[in-house]
Amino acid sequence: QKEVEQDPGPLSVPEGAIVSLNCTYSNSAFQYFMWYRQYSRKGPELLMYTYSSGNKEDGRFTAQVDKSSKYISLFIRDSQPSDSATYLCAMSANAGGTSYGKLTFGQGTILTVHP
Amino acid sequence: GAGVSQSPSNKVTEKGKDVELRCDPISGHTALYWYRQSLGQGLEFLIYFQGNSAPDKSGLPSDRFSAERTGGSVSTLTIQRTQQEDSAVYLCASSLVRGGYEQYFGPGTRLTVT
Repeated sequence: QKEVEQDPGPLSVPEGAIVSLNCTYSNSAFQYFMWYRQYSRKGPELLMYTYSSGNKEDGRFTAQVDKSSKYISLFIRDSQPSDSATYLCAMSANAGGTSYGKLTFGQGTILTVHP
Repeated sequence: GAGVSQSPSNKVTEKGKDVELRCDPISGHTALYWYRQSLGQGLEFLIYFQGNSAPDKSGLPSDRFSAERTGGSVSTLTIQRTQQEDSAVYLCASSLVRGGYEQYFGPGTRLTVT
Protein backbone atom coordinates (compact mmCIF):
# COMPACT_ATOMS: atom_id res chain seq x y z
CA GLN A 1 0.00 0.00 0.00
CA LYS A 2 1.31 3.44 -0.94
CA GLU A 3 1.93 6.00 1.80
CA VAL A 4 -0.23 8.52 -0.07
CA GLU A 5 -3.32 7.56 -2.05
CA GLN A 6 -4.97 9.85 -4.58
CA ASP A 7 -7.77 9.05 -7.00
CA PRO A 8 -6.23 9.47 -10.47
CA GLY A 9 -9.58 10.36 -12.04
CA PRO A 10 -9.86 11.58 -14.70
CA LEU A 11 -12.28 14.20 -13.47
CA SER A 12 -14.30 16.25 -15.96
CA VAL A 13 -16.45 19.18 -14.85
CA PRO A 14 -18.22 22.13 -16.50
CA GLU A 15 -16.86 25.63 -16.15
CA GLY A 16 -17.99 27.26 -12.92
CA ALA A 17 -18.28 24.01 -10.98
CA ILE A 18 -16.79 23.41 -7.56
CA VAL A 19 -14.05 20.80 -7.72
CA SER A 20 -13.02 18.61 -4.80
CA LEU A 21 -9.70 16.77 -4.88
CA ASN A 22 -8.65 14.45 -2.09
CA CYS A 23 -5.77 12.42 -0.72
CA THR A 24 -5.43 9.99 2.14
CA TYR A 25 -2.20 8.99 3.81
CA SER A 26 -0.92 6.45 6.27
CA ASN A 27 2.24 8.02 7.74
CA SER A 28 1.36 9.91 10.92
CA ALA A 29 4.75 11.68 10.78
CA PHE A 30 3.58 13.88 7.90
CA GLN A 31 3.25 17.48 9.09
CA TYR A 32 3.44 19.57 5.93
CA PHE A 33 0.84 19.20 3.18
CA MET A 34 1.11 20.67 -0.29
CA TRP A 35 -0.87 20.82 -3.49
CA TYR A 36 0.90 21.11 -6.82
CA ARG A 37 -0.55 21.75 -10.26
CA GLN A 38 1.16 20.27 -13.30
CA TYR A 39 0.38 21.20 -16.88
CA SER A 40 1.27 18.80 -19.65
CA ARG A 41 5.04 18.53 -20.21
CA LYS A 42 5.78 21.06 -17.47
CA GLY A 43 7.17 20.73 -13.95
CA PRO A 44 4.82 20.80 -10.94
CA GLU A 45 3.91 24.27 -9.68
CA LEU A 46 3.28 24.82 -5.97
CA LEU A 47 -0.31 25.96 -5.38
CA MET A 48 -0.74 25.84 -1.63
CA TYR A 49 0.79 24.41 1.50
CA THR A 50 -0.50 23.97 5.02
CA TYR A 51 1.13 22.94 8.25
CA SER A 52 -0.71 20.41 10.44
CA SER A 53 -4.51 20.47 10.57
CA GLY A 54 -6.76 23.29 9.46
CA ASN A 55 -7.92 25.26 6.46
CA LYS A 56 -6.17 27.70 4.20
CA GLU A 57 -7.75 29.83 1.51
CA ASP A 58 -6.13 31.57 -1.45
CA GLY A 59 -8.47 33.09 -3.96
CA ARG A 60 -10.54 30.35 -5.55
CA PHE A 61 -8.53 27.62 -3.82
CA THR A 62 -9.09 26.19 -0.35
CA ALA A 63 -6.90 23.51 1.22
CA GLN A 64 -8.11 21.45 4.16
CA VAL A 65 -6.15 19.07 6.37
CA ASP A 66 -7.70 16.64 8.83
CA LYS A 67 -4.83 14.86 10.56
CA SER A 68 -7.14 12.80 12.76
CA SER A 69 -8.55 11.17 9.63
CA LYS A 70 -5.29 11.38 7.64
CA TYR A 71 -7.20 13.12 4.86
CA ILE A 72 -6.50 16.27 2.88
CA SER A 73 -8.57 18.12 0.32
CA LEU A 74 -8.27 20.88 -2.24
CA PHE A 75 -11.38 22.75 -3.33
CA ILE A 76 -11.49 24.87 -6.45
CA ARG A 77 -14.40 27.29 -6.70
CA ASP A 78 -15.69 28.74 -9.97
CA SER A 79 -13.45 26.40 -11.95
CA GLN A 80 -12.05 27.67 -15.24
CA PRO A 81 -10.79 25.88 -18.36
CA SER A 82 -7.33 27.17 -17.43
CA ASP A 83 -7.54 25.01 -14.28
CA SER A 84 -7.35 21.90 -16.48
CA ALA A 85 -4.20 20.12 -15.33
CA THR A 86 -2.98 17.30 -13.13
CA TYR A 87 -3.20 18.06 -9.41
CA LEU A 88 -0.72 16.37 -7.10
CA CYS A 89 -0.89 16.23 -3.34
CA ALA A 90 2.44 16.03 -1.54
CA MET A 91 3.48 15.59 2.07
CA SER A 92 6.57 15.93 4.19
CA ALA A 93 7.51 14.78 7.64
CA ASN A 94 8.57 17.07 10.43
CA ALA A 95 12.06 18.47 10.91
CA GLY A 96 14.80 16.13 11.90
CA GLY A 97 15.94 12.82 10.59
CA THR A 98 16.79 11.99 7.01
CA SER A 99 13.23 12.48 5.81
CA TYR A 100 13.50 16.22 6.28
CA GLY A 101 12.51 17.93 3.04
CA LYS A 102 11.62 14.76 1.15
CA LEU A 103 8.19 15.05 -0.46
CA THR A 104 5.96 12.02 -0.88
CA PHE A 105 3.46 12.51 -3.69
CA GLY A 106 0.08 11.11 -4.56
CA GLN A 107 -0.45 9.70 -8.04
CA GLY A 108 -2.10 12.91 -9.26
CA THR A 109 -5.67 13.62 -10.40
CA ILE A 110 -6.24 14.66 -14.01
CA LEU A 111 -8.80 17.48 -14.12
CA THR A 112 -10.53 18.82 -17.22
CA VAL A 113 -12.79 21.87 -16.99
CA HIS A 114 -14.81 22.22 -20.17
CA PRO A 115 -16.41 25.49 -21.30
CA GLY B 1 13.80 36.04 -11.37
CA ALA B 2 14.90 32.88 -13.14
CA GLY B 3 13.39 29.62 -12.06
CA VAL B 4 14.92 26.17 -11.89
CA SER B 5 16.39 25.14 -15.22
CA GLN B 6 17.24 21.66 -16.44
CA SER B 7 19.12 20.35 -19.43
CA PRO B 8 18.69 18.66 -21.75
CA SER B 9 14.92 18.89 -22.03
CA ASN B 10 14.84 15.59 -23.92
CA LYS B 11 17.38 12.79 -24.10
CA VAL B 12 17.18 9.60 -26.14
CA THR B 13 19.89 7.07 -25.43
CA GLU B 14 20.64 3.46 -26.18
CA LYS B 15 20.45 0.82 -23.48
CA GLY B 16 23.78 0.46 -21.75
CA LYS B 17 24.98 4.02 -22.33
CA ASP B 18 25.65 6.54 -19.55
CA VAL B 19 23.70 9.81 -19.32
CA GLU B 20 24.16 13.03 -17.37
CA LEU B 21 21.27 15.29 -16.45
CA ARG B 22 21.88 18.82 -15.23
CA CYS B 23 19.97 21.05 -12.84
CA ASP B 24 20.47 24.77 -12.15
CA PRO B 25 18.53 25.72 -9.03
CA ILE B 26 17.13 29.12 -8.18
CA SER B 27 19.95 31.39 -7.08
CA GLY B 28 20.36 31.36 -3.30
CA HIS B 29 18.41 28.15 -2.75
CA THR B 30 20.45 25.90 -0.49
CA ALA B 31 18.35 22.75 -0.80
CA LEU B 32 18.10 20.76 -4.02
CA TYR B 33 16.05 17.65 -4.77
CA TRP B 34 15.83 15.15 -7.61
CA TYR B 35 12.61 13.30 -8.35
CA ARG B 36 11.57 10.86 -11.05
CA GLN B 37 8.14 10.80 -12.65
CA SER B 38 7.03 7.76 -14.58
CA LEU B 39 3.74 6.22 -15.64
CA GLY B 40 2.42 3.92 -12.99
CA GLN B 41 4.88 5.09 -10.35
CA GLY B 42 3.98 8.74 -10.07
CA LEU B 43 6.55 11.18 -8.71
CA GLU B 44 9.29 9.53 -6.64
CA PHE B 45 11.98 11.12 -4.51
CA LEU B 46 15.55 10.25 -5.50
CA ILE B 47 18.03 12.38 -3.55
CA TYR B 48 18.27 15.53 -1.44
CA PHE B 49 21.20 17.94 -1.23
CA GLN B 50 21.83 20.51 1.45
CA GLY B 51 24.68 22.61 0.14
CA ASN B 52 27.07 20.15 -1.48
CA SER B 53 26.30 17.22 0.79
CA ALA B 54 23.56 14.64 0.31
CA PRO B 55 22.10 13.64 3.66
CA ASP B 56 19.32 11.65 2.02
CA LYS B 57 20.04 9.34 -0.91
CA SER B 58 17.36 6.88 0.07
CA GLY B 59 15.43 7.15 -3.19
CA LEU B 60 18.22 6.23 -5.60
CA PRO B 61 16.97 2.98 -7.18
CA SER B 62 20.33 1.32 -7.70
CA ASP B 63 24.08 1.92 -7.63
CA ARG B 64 23.87 2.87 -11.31
CA PHE B 65 22.45 6.20 -10.15
CA SER B 66 24.64 8.89 -8.62
CA ALA B 67 24.44 12.62 -8.15
CA GLU B 68 26.68 15.44 -7.14
CA ARG B 69 26.37 19.11 -6.43
CA THR B 70 29.20 21.58 -6.68
CA GLY B 71 29.57 25.10 -5.34
CA GLY B 72 26.22 24.76 -3.61
CA SER B 73 24.57 25.35 -6.95
CA VAL B 74 24.52 23.17 -10.07
CA SER B 75 23.74 19.49 -9.68
CA THR B 76 24.30 16.58 -12.02
CA LEU B 77 22.42 13.28 -11.93
CA THR B 78 24.30 10.47 -13.65
CA ILE B 79 22.80 7.17 -14.73
CA GLN B 80 25.29 4.53 -15.76
CA ARG B 81 24.53 1.58 -18.05
CA THR B 82 21.00 2.82 -18.68
CA GLN B 83 18.13 0.32 -18.78
CA GLN B 84 14.72 0.68 -20.40
CA GLU B 85 13.07 0.95 -16.99
CA ASP B 86 15.06 4.18 -16.45
CA SER B 87 12.85 5.90 -19.03
CA ALA B 88 11.01 8.66 -17.18
CA VAL B 89 10.92 12.39 -16.61
CA TYR B 90 13.61 13.48 -14.17
CA LEU B 91 12.62 16.56 -12.21
CA CYS B 92 14.78 18.82 -10.12
CA ALA B 93 13.46 21.12 -7.41
CA SER B 94 15.06 23.68 -5.13
CA SER B 95 14.09 25.27 -1.87
CA LEU B 96 15.35 28.34 -0.06
CA VAL B 97 16.05 26.59 3.20
CA ARG B 98 16.85 23.14 4.50
CA GLY B 99 13.81 20.95 4.57
CA GLY B 100 11.82 23.56 2.73
CA TYR B 101 8.38 22.31 1.87
CA GLU B 102 8.10 25.13 -0.68
CA GLN B 103 9.95 23.34 -3.43
CA TYR B 104 10.11 24.90 -6.88
CA PHE B 105 10.40 22.51 -9.79
CA GLY B 106 12.17 22.74 -13.10
CA PRO B 107 10.56 21.60 -16.37
CA GLY B 108 12.26 18.21 -16.24
CA THR B 109 14.38 16.08 -18.54
CA ARG B 110 12.47 13.46 -20.48
CA LEU B 111 14.74 10.42 -20.77
CA THR B 112 13.98 7.65 -23.24
CA VAL B 113 16.13 4.53 -23.25
CA THR B 114 15.78 2.50 -26.45
